[in-house]
Amino acid sequence: KAGVTQTPRYLIKTRGQQVTLSCSPISGHRSVSWYQQTPGQGLQFLFEYFSETQRNKGNFPGRFSGRQFSNSRSEMNVSTLELGDSALYLCASSPLEGPTDTQYFGPGTRLTVL
Amino acid sequence: DQQVKQNSPSLSVQEGRISILNCDYTNSMFDYFLWYKKYPAEGPTFLISISSIKDKNEDGRFTVFLNKSAKHLSLHIVPSQPGDSAVYFCAASLLSGNTPLVFGKGTRLSVIA
Repeated sequence: KAGVTQTPRYLIKTRGQQVTLSCSPISGHRSVSWYQQTPGQGLQFLFEYFSETQRNKGNFPGRFSGRQFSNSRSEMNVSTLELGDSALYLCASSPLEGPTDTQYFGPGTRLTVL
Repeated sequence: DQQVKQNSPSLSVQEGRISILNCDYTNSMFDYFLWYKKYPAEGPTFLISISSIKDKNEDGRFTVFLNKSAKHLSLHIVPSQPGDSAVYFCAASLLSGNTPLVFGKGTRLSVIA
C-alpha cells in the first residue's frame, strides 16, 4: 500500500499570500489529521476530518482551514500568511474512526513565509 | 498550558547502552500514550503505545513504562543503536471519544558509535 503523500513538499510564500496544501491518505483510511511542527513547539494539532466532516479543531486562528473530499483526500488552506506560519505541516491518516488509533504520517510540507 | 512535557530537548547515549526518554503529562484524564520517532525529512512513525490499564509494554528493544500516580512515562531502548538517532515524540489522548493526540515537543536522541 502506498503511504500518506503530501504535496508540495516545499513551498515559499510571502506575507499576506495564501497557500493550499494537499494530503492523500493511505487507501481505505477515512480519518485525516493535520499538524503544525515548529522547532520550539513540537507537533500542534490543527484539525481532523472524518468522512468529509471536521470532527476536531485545535487552537489555531480562523486563517487556518481545511476540508476533506469524498475520496478522503484532504486540503488545508492558510490565508493571509504571517512569518510565524513558517513550519512543517504534517498530515496523518488513520484506519479507524478515532484519531487515537495509530496515525500514519506523511513526509510533510515545509512552508517558508518571507 | 502544555499538557505533555518532554523536559529534555536532547540526549546522547553510547551505542549498546540504554536510552531512557522521559515524558510527563498534566491531564489525569489521559489514558492512552504513544511514542513516535521522527527522522529528518520524514514524517513521524509510530513506535509503541500503552493504555492506562498497563504499566509496561514491550516490543523488541523498546519498552514503555507508565506511572499513573506520577503522571510519568518513559521509553527505554536497549541496546541503543546508531539507527535509533532521531527525534522522539511522546503523545497522549483519551481512548474513549474522538479526541486528538497531544504531543510533547520531542527529545532528540543521538546514539554515538
